[in-house]
Amino acid sequence: DAKTTQPNSMESNEEEPVHLPCNHSTISGTDYIHWYRQLPSQGPEYVIHGLTSNVNNRMASLAIAEDRKSSTLILHRATLRDAAVYYCILRSRREKLTFGTGTRLTIIP
Amino acid sequence: GAVVSQHPSWVICKSGTSVKIECRSLDFQATTMFWYRQFPKQSLMLMATSNEGSKATYEQGVEKDKFLINHASLTLSTLTVTSAHPEDSSFYICSARTRDKALQETQYFGPGTRLLVL
Repeated sequence: DAKTTQPNSMESNEEEPVHLPCNHSTISGTDYIHWYRQLPSQGPEYVIHGLTSNVNNRMASLAIAEDRKSSTLILHRATLRDAAVYYCILRSRREKLTFGTGTRLTIIP
Repeated sequence: GAVVSQHPSWVICKSGTSVKIECRSLDFQATTMFWYRQFPKQSLMLMATSNEGSKATYEQGVEKDKFLINHASLTLSTLTVTSAHPEDSSFYICSARTRDKALQETQYFGPGTRLLVL
């Protein structure tokens, strides 16, 4: 499985944008970039995914580097409810999701 | 849409007993369901993958006779922890993958079941 590298933890102030980086230098052409987050004592929640182009949805934006070796999850205006562990995962279609250690995001009021 | 439920949300049992956890996809059909386990302060570890109507595929190190998985329909999978012991205490999370190709077969997760074996 192609691996991802994320910072262990990040902090951000409430109501400010948050940029969560992910490196995936060994990504293959068929790998989608998925982002999930896990709030305390809950199952992971789907955030966003993409292949090559940047993606936007109601939760976040995903910016993918042109060479696809890195990506950034962007939360446009962080709230306290965004405090969670964020996982960046590569997955080819029909493959299983394999979780790394993720980034623990702390939001400062 | 794309809601996955689990039941029960938590369970406490005595050592040696068996516990069944249900996972349902409420508003979509799932070709494949997954079972994960998460110990405190650790990431999710995949235990097994099941396809409707066929036997589950277990990850290395997971005992198939201890963790029985049944995937009877496109909306229901069950995990039975047989002869549970305290070391089986964990947070068990199921996931269902939608058949919807427009969603690139996204995986959605249940809320988890916390198991405590005394």
